[in-house]
Amino acid sequence: GIQVEQSPPDLILQEGANSTLRCNFSDSVNNLQWFHQNPWGQLINLFYIPSGTKQNGRLSATTVATERYSLLYISSSQTTDSGVYFCAVKARTGANNLFFGTGTRLTVIP
Amino acid sequence: EAGVAQSPRYKIIEKRQSVAFWCNPISGHATLYWYQQILGQGPKLLIQFQNNGVVDDSQLPKDRFSAERLKGVDSTLKIQPAKLEDSAVYLCASSERLSRGLQETQYFGPGTRLLVL
Repeated sequence: GIQVEQSPPDLILQEGANSTLRCNFSDSVNNLQWFHQNPWGQLINLFYIPSGTKQNGRLSATTVATERYSLLYISSSQTTDSGVYFCAVKARTGANNLFFGTGTRLTVIP
Repeated sequence: EAGVAQSPRYKIIEKRQSVAFWCNPISGHATLYWYQQILGQGPKLLIQFQNNGVVDDSQLPKDRFSAERLKGVDSTLKIQPAKLEDSAVYLCASSERLSRGLQETQYFGPGTRLLVL
C-alpha cells in the first residue's frame, strides 16, 4: 500500500511559537486529510486537502500533489494545540481507504 | 449535530474472552469505518461499510474479528477470542458517502480503549 511519512516525529514548542509539520506520501492521492488527536484520544478532522491551500484560524495547510507532500502550519501555538497530528491519504489507484502516517507529537509548553 | 457515538469507552478482559463494541454514526452518513489504533501508531482500517454492505475488510483478522452493520446505521465489532495483541483503541468513523470530494471527510468517535490481560 501507499507509504505515509511524517516529520518531525516529536516537536516541543514554547507557547506563541510557529511550526511546520510535513507529510510525504509515496503515490498519487485523491484524498488527504489532516487530523489532530488530543491527549484524550479524540481525533478531530482539521483539513480535507488533496491539493491546494486552506486556512482555518491559526492553522493552514498546503498540499503539493505533484511533489507528493503536504504541510500543516500552526501559528501562535497554544497549549491546547498539544497532541498528535496525523496525515492520512487515499491513493488514486489501489485500495480505496485512508492510510495514516505515524504522526507528529506536538507539546506546547506555557 | 451529534457526533459519532461509541460504547463502551473502556474495556478490560482476559485473553480468550469475547468482547463487542458498538458505534452509532452521524445521522445520514452512509459510510462507516472501524479502525484499530495501537499505542504509538496511526489508526489502521479494519473494515468499512457503505450502508449495510462491506466495501473493504481486507485487513480484518477474520478468524477472530467480525463486524456487522444491520439496517445500515449502527454497527458492532466483535473479537472472539481476544489475544494480548488486540489491546488497542478501537475507533469508529463515518462519512457522508464513499466518493470523491468533501463527502469523504471522516468524523471519528471517542474510541473504545481495550486492554487484554
